[in-house]
Amino acid sequence: EAGVAQSPRYKIIEKRQSVAFWCNPISGHATLYWYQQILGQGPKLLIQFQNNGVVDDSQLPKDRFSAERLKGVDSTLKIQPAKLEDSAVYLCASSPTGTSGVHTQYFGPGTRLTVL
Amino acid sequence: GEDVEQSLFLSVREGDSSVINCTYTDSSSTYLYWYKQEPGAGLQLLTYIFSNMDMKQDQRLTVLLNKKDKHLSLRIADTQTGDSAIYFCASPNDMRFGAGTRLTVKP
Repeated sequence: EAGVAQSPRYKIIEKRQSVAFWCNPISGHATLYWYQQILGQGPKLLIQFQNNGVVDDSQLPKDRFSAERLKGVDSTLKIQPAKLEDSAVYLCASSPTGTSGVHTQYFGPGTRLTVL
Repeated sequence: GEDVEQSLFLSVREGDSSVINCTYTDSSSTYLYWYKQEPGAGLQLLTYIFSNMDMKQDQRLTVLLNKKDKHLSLRIADTQTGDSAIYFCASPNDMRFGAGTRLTVKP
């Protein structure tokens, strides 16, 4: 079974530029999560989708971050415009239909963003 | 929000036991988890414990849960160099992770 795929793996941009990350979850997984992991910290949940609907986006900085999951499969996370403090690894995770809880999440390798 | 706290670093010699500690504040969690993150990789679920258990053993891993003190620990027996990684405890109720404990195993 293929795992969660993310691209790109690395991205370097200048502040005030825009950037987008892509995630392809495990086939059949209804729930998709985006996390931000700043160096030296644990992952912080940004947004959770159930199919193509948003379940929780309470920690998403909506003035600059946006995410969508069209057709309930792939997802993109966008930052516009980026700030220096957005430098982090952005992790995507998915979990099977009808389940909840961290232990059922499968994580991708992440996208490391550096904002200069 | 609720907090999950861990010590940041642990260094042990190969063959010794490692004990990684975590404290949490959310007493309503049904589960508590341990994740492992190797360099350049995503998080991998290592083990979990139900909140109505005190202990869970899985091969070289032993999880202890003290609900009264809200303290969770992960013991790795016969620690190997391949166990070097960052270990996160996590509470599922608000998908909250600790900052991670970096385990270094010296040969």
